[in-house]
Amino acid sequence: SQQGEEDPQALSIQEGENATMNCSYKTSINNLQWYRQNSGRGLVHLILIRSNEREKHSGRLRVTLDTSKKSSSLLITASRAADTASYFCATDTGRRALTFGSGTRLQVQP
Amino acid sequence: NAGVTQTPKFQVLKTGQSMTLQCAQDMNHEYMSWYRQDPGMGLRLIHYSVGAGITDQGEVPNGYNVSRSTTEDFPLRLLSAAPSQTSVYFCASRLTGTRTDTQYFGPGTRLTVL
Repeated sequence: SQQGEEDPQALSIQEGENATMNCSYKTSINNLQWYRQNSGRGLVHLILIRSNEREKHSGRLRVTLDTSKKSSSLLITASRAADTASYFCATDTGRRALTFGSGTRLQVQP
Repeated sequence: NAGVTQTPKFQVLKTGQSMTLQCAQDMNHEYMSWYRQDPGMGLRLIHYSVGAGITDQGEVPNGYNVSRSTTEDFPLRLLSAAPSQTSVYFCASRLTGTRTDTQYFGPGTRLTVL
């Protein structure tokens, strides 16, 4: 089974609203990363949070990490139609390459 | 830099055929990996390499071979294609074993096996 699991699987919001996606994982991690994938395209790295960090910001993105609960959240503030994409969390356990969750499909209605 | 490039972009195979998916990066990255993405799912790791001459299996290696003769190239070979291998394949690379390095993805190869 997947190391990371995103929730919800799909999310539809209006432009200007905030979007929150969650990721849960099972084993200890070195870091957790969030990626975006536009339809039919490759993945683009958004942000990385280390296991000893609790919160990180990058522009309109805010990521939190709770290692005691083995969970992370990605918040996109003031969403835009261009934010429509699938968002994946990926965990780095130090053993292999990144392990990805199944993603959250975000639809931002203009 | 071209980043991570993959060829072909699309491929249709018949069951039993073999082929090689090409992946190259011009960033002198040590780590390279191959993932497959099935509809509505995340990426699953097929094989990865920590440097030239070194490869290892990922989560779903069966039916695939890899080699890493150079730092730049990391081809993925399908030995005898099966319909279950219909998927989108992504190659990725990152600079070193340093876990905080950003991973860069290629644009993907969409493979259909009939």
